[in-house]
Amino acid sequence: GAGVSQSPSNKVTEKGKDVELRCDPISGHTALYWYRQSLGQGLEFLIYFQGNSAPDKSGLPSDRFSAERTGGSVSTLTIQRTQQEDSAVYLCASSPGERSEGETQYFGPGTRLLVL
Amino acid sequence: AQSVTQPDIHITVSEGASLELRCNYSYGATPYLFWYVQSPGQGLQLLLKYFSGDTLVQGIKGFEAEFKRSQSSFNLRKPSVHWSDAAEYFCAVVGGSYIPTFGRGTSLIVHP
Repeated sequence: GAGVSQSPSNKVTEKGKDVELRCDPISGHTALYWYRQSLGQGLEFLIYFQGNSAPDKSGLPSDRFSAERTGGSVSTLTIQRTQQEDSAVYLCASSPGERSEGETQYFGPGTRLLVL
Repeated sequence: AQSVTQPDIHITVSEGASLELRCNYSYGATPYLFWYVQSPGQGLQLLLKYFSGDTLVQGIKGFEAEFKRSQSSFNLRKPSVHWSDAAEYFCAVVGGSYIPTFGRGTSLIVHP
C-alpha cells in the first residue's frame, strides 16, 4: 500500500518567492500534520488537520505560512515571501485520526527547501 | 505542557555492542511515549510506543524501551547494534492533546 508522499522532494528558490509544498496522506487517514526540521534540530510542529479543518495552527511561525487541506486528503503548505531562515526539511505525517492520543504517525520523506 | 529531553546529541558504538539512548520527559500524568528512527533522506518510522501496562515495550528491529515513571524516562535499548542501525533517533511524548512533542534527536554512529 502507498505511504505518505510529498512533492517536490527538493526545492530551491530565491528569497522573496512563494513556494507550495504538497502532501498526499495515506488513504483514509483523517489526521494530517506538518512539521519543520532544521539542521541539528528536532521536529518543530507547524499545523494539524482533522479532516479539512485545522484545529491547531499554533505552530505556524509567521503569517507568511499557511496551509490548507481539501477533500480530507491532499494538503498544501504555502510559504510566501520566503526567507533564508525558512530553509529546512518540511515533513508531513498522517494518522488514522480515531481521536486517540496514542496514534502512530506515518511520515513522508519530506521536502528539502533551500532559500538562496 | 509536555516536553522531551534527549541529552545525547551523538552516540558512537561499535558494531555488536549494546546500545542505550536516553529520553526524559516532563508531563503531569502518564503520557504516551514513542521512539521513531530516521534514516538519511527518509521520513520517520515508528520503532515502538508505550500506552499503558507492561513497562517494557518491544519494537521492531530488535529494539526495546522501558518506561520508568519514577525517573520520567523512556530509554531505548538494543543488545547488539548492527551497522544498519546508524540513523537519527527521536523520542516523542503525547499528553493531553493530539500533538506530539519531539526531542531534538540522537545521532547514532556505528563503527565496524
